[in-house]
Amino acid sequence: DQQVKQNSPSLSVQEGRISILNCDYTNSMFDYFLWYKKYPAEGPTFLISISSIKDKNEDGRFTVFLNKSAKHLSLHIVPSQPGDSAVYFCAGTLITGNQFYFGTGTSLTVIP
Amino acid sequence: DTGVSQDPRHKITKRGQNVTFRCDPISEHNRLYWYRQTLGQGPEFLTYFQNEAQLEKSRLLSDRFSAERPKGSFSTLEIQRTEQGDSAMYLCASSQTIFYEQYFGPGTRLTVT
Repeated sequence: DQQVKQNSPSLSVQEGRISILNCDYTNSMFDYFLWYKKYPAEGPTFLISISSIKDKNEDGRFTVFLNKSAKHLSLHIVPSQPGDSAVYFCAGTLITGNQFYFGTGTSLTVIP
Repeated sequence: DTGVSQDPRHKITKRGQNVTFRCDPISEHNRLYWYRQTLGQGPEFLTYFQNEAQLEKSRLLSDRFSAERPKGSFSTLEIQRTEQGDSAMYLCASSQTIFYEQYFGPGTRLTVT
């Protein structure tokens, strides 16, 4: 069962504009959410996270928003840069952190 | 620290053979995870260790898969009697107990012919 879903396989954005990547989840018991970025031939790299008790977390150009009632989170990248071109995965976990559930990823292309 | 390392980076094997992969986590990380990733999919959880104890195992994990972390440091993942469906990228990740953020290795790409 796919507990975390990323319904947009790909996204193209002009450099300097905002990139918005979306993620939906089904398990209301998830306590923590994370976003990872992945370049080809490399393992995923942690980007930003958010606890279920918050609705927003910001780190530089990256902001994650959490809407618990809608079971939805989004990652905003402002301004987008060509180096941001990668596959982005969202993941959720229970409070134990024993198991993480990943979405299928969104491939972001930032056009110079 | 150079991060999480995995060995080998690539493995080609014939169907029916056994393979073993190694993961060296970041030294102070006591949590270790194994994932499998196929094309177009996100990492799929396989198993989790807290120090040397295997605390979680995916119910989808075949009995042909076994993992160990004997001294709470490095870990091995063995696949017995490989099948073509086992072809995937096998990822290892580690983290500290108080943090959820995982650090991934580069992965081992397995091809079963």
